[in-house]
Amino acid sequence: GEDVEQSLFLSVREGDSSVINCTYTDSSSTYLYWYKQEPGAGLQLLTYIFSNMDMKQDQRLTVLLNKKDKHLSLRIADTQTGDSAIYFCAERGHSGGYQKVTFGTGTKLQVIP
Amino acid sequence: DAGVTQSPTHLIKTRGQQVTLRCSPKSGHDTVSWYQQALGQGPQFIFQYYEEEERQRGNFPDRFSGHQFPNYSSELNVNALLLGDSALYLCASSLFPGGWSPLHFGNGTRLTVT
Repeated sequence: GEDVEQSLFLSVREGDSSVINCTYTDSSSTYLYWYKQEPGAGLQLLTYIFSNMDMKQDQRLTVLLNKKDKHLSLRIADTQTGDSAIYFCAERGHSGGYQKVTFGTGTKLQVIP
Repeated sequence: DAGVTQSPTHLIKTRGQQVTLRCSPKSGHDTVSWYQQALGQGPQFIFQYYEEEERQRGNFPDRFSGHQFPNYSSELNVNALLLGDSALYLCASSLFPGGWSPLHFGNGTRLTVT
């Protein structure tokens, strides 16, 4: 079955870059996503990448995909205290023509002022 | 543009009771997925509804059931509640389950079972 793994915690200083990593197992994944969850809230879609792409940049966010190793990363440039949250990696596979999105356990990002 | 709305925001129930959670999808979306997020965990897929039918189901017992209405809104029902059902229940909507549209989430319903 599908499995998505992430490290649990990352601490960075304000202004530095953050890199959050994720590995997944489903080789049929079509899209991979990064979501952000702040305390008491639902999940906010940050960015996504199609499986035939290697990289996607969106303002301070850079997503890198190594499909051979099934490794996905999210780089946040110039990390701010407002970036403190839990970040979830998710992959979308297909089952009978319908999408099923599987999430990792989340990486808690702590930004130190 | 109204996003995904869920009600209620918080709920406290007793073991053995039944609960119904409600979700209205983002305007223009026709597919609703439900997820359970236990404390400190990632969301776990419960099921997905499209055209008023359950299209996919995760590893959840039959105590978890759902419904989708003609206006695309959805309900999640849980019978015979267990302490382990305490979690944040998230509804997500998207456009057509076979397309590329990403999931958009509501803020969830926090269910506490005592």
